[in-house]
Amino acid sequence: AQKITQTQPGMFVQEKEAVTLDCTYDTSDPSYGLFWYKQPSSGEMIFLIYQGSYDQQNATEGRYSLNFQKARKSANLVISASQLGDSAMYFCAMRDEDNFNKFYFGSGTKLNVKP
Amino acid sequence: DAGVIQSPRHEVTEMGQEVTLRCKPISGHDYLFWYRQTMMRGLELLIYFNNNVPIDDSGMPEDRFSAKMPNASFSTLKIQPSEPRDSAVYFCASSLDTQPQHFGDGTRLSIL
Repeated sequence: AQKITQTQPGMFVQEKEAVTLDCTYDTSDPSYGLFWYKQPSSGEMIFLIYQGSYDQQNATEGRYSLNFQKARKSANLVISASQLGDSAMYFCAMRDEDNFNKFYFGSGTKLNVKP
Repeated sequence: DAGVIQSPRHEVTEMGQEVTLRCKPISGHDYLFWYRQTMMRGLELLIYFNNNVPIDDSGMPEDRFSAKMPNASFSTLKIQPSEPRDSAVYFCASSLDTQPQHFGDGTRLSIL
């Protein structure tokens, strides 16, 4: 079974608007970590934001926030005030801390920000 | 601080040749991961190490692939013999315990 599911292969957003990228995960372990990475066209993988399974509050990092809904097993990334430089692939990932810290990545969402 | 360093950045070689990819993790990190990225299969975890010991190599495609981590500051991923279907971007990443992974810039491998 897929551990991480990203159902949006591609998305468009108007510059300066907010956008939500969906991510659902599958685990029966109580201890895990959720991550989002950005991969621009240049190819590097850039860490954006982290949410621990026991964290009470949603993580935020600048214009990035993670909408963590534990009961629904979702960890959506919200980007506020989109910029042209936000155009990239975005990957959701999970670290299974009860499985020797194994990492699972989703298939990614290609975000295009329109001027 | 220096990030994860991979070499070479690009490699073009003919099928049948041995290919060795190298990775220097961030100093102090105790986990090291090797990934392969292709358009068809996305980002695949090949193998990862904890304190230089391989933990899970279930993602290694076949016996032609091998990875070693002789010490905390160096790892190699070797393909022998290489085939055109091995063409991909190979990433190395490292992390400290359960902290986020930091990725290298990748090696773009082309097997002709």
